[in-house]
Amino acid sequence: KAGVTQTPRYLIKTRGQQVTLSCSPISGHRSVSWYQQTPGQGLQFLFEYFSETQRNKGNFPGRFSGRQFSNSRSEMNVSTLELGDSALYLCASSSRTIGNTEAFFGQGTRLTVV
Amino acid sequence: AQSVTQLDSQVPVFEEAPVELRCNYSSSVSVYLFWYVQYPNQGLQLLLKYLSGSTLVKGINGFEAEFNKSQTSFHLRKPSVHISDTAEYFCAVIPGGATNKLIFGTGTLLAVQP
Repeated sequence: KAGVTQTPRYLIKTRGQQVTLSCSPISGHRSVSWYQQTPGQGLQFLFEYFSETQRNKGNFPGRFSGRQFSNSRSEMNVSTLELGDSALYLCASSSRTIGNTEAFFGQGTRLTVV
Repeated sequence: AQSVTQLDSQVPVFEEAPVELRCNYSSSVSVYLFWYVQYPNQGLQLLLKYLSGSTLVKGINGFEAEFNKSQTSFHLRKPSVHISDTAEYFCAVIPGGATNKLIFGTGTLLAVQP
C-alpha cells in the first residue's frame, strides 16, 4: 500500500510570493496533519483535518492556511512568504480520529525562501 | 499545556554499547506516547508507541521503552546499537481527546561511533 506522498519534494521561492504544498494520505486515512520543522523551533504543529474539517490549528499566523478535499488529499498554503518560513513541511495521515494509533509521515517538502 | 522534554540534544555512543534516550512529558490527563526516528532528508518513522496496557513497549530495530506514569517518563533504550542507528530521535505525545495532534520534544541526535 502506498505511503503518504508529498509534492513537491523541494521548492525555492522568493520573499513575498505564495506557495501551495500537497499531501496525499494513505488510502483510507481521513485524518491529515501538517507540521513545520526548523532547526531553531523543531517540529511544530500547523493544522489537523478530518473529513474536510479543520479540527485543530497551531500557533501560526494567518498567512498559513490549509484545506482538505473529499478524497482526503490536503493542501497547505503560505502567502507573503518570509525568510523564516524556510523549513521542512511534513504531512502525516492517520486511520483514526482520537490519537490511539500510528501517524504515518511523508518525506516532506523542503521550502527555501530567498 | 502539554509539553515534552528531551534533556539530551546529542548522545554519542560506541557501536555495540547500550543506550538510553530520555523523555519526560507534562500532562495531567492520559496521553498516548510515541518515539519517532528521522534519518537525514527523510520524514519520521514510528519506532514504538504506548497506548495502554503493559508499560514496557517493544518496537522496531530492537528498541524498547518503558512508560512510567509516576515519573511522567518514557525513556527509549537499546541494549546494543549499530552504526545504522545514527539518526535524530523524537519523543512525542498526543493528549487524550478527539485529536491526532502530536506534541514533539526537541529531539536527540544519537551519534554511533565505530
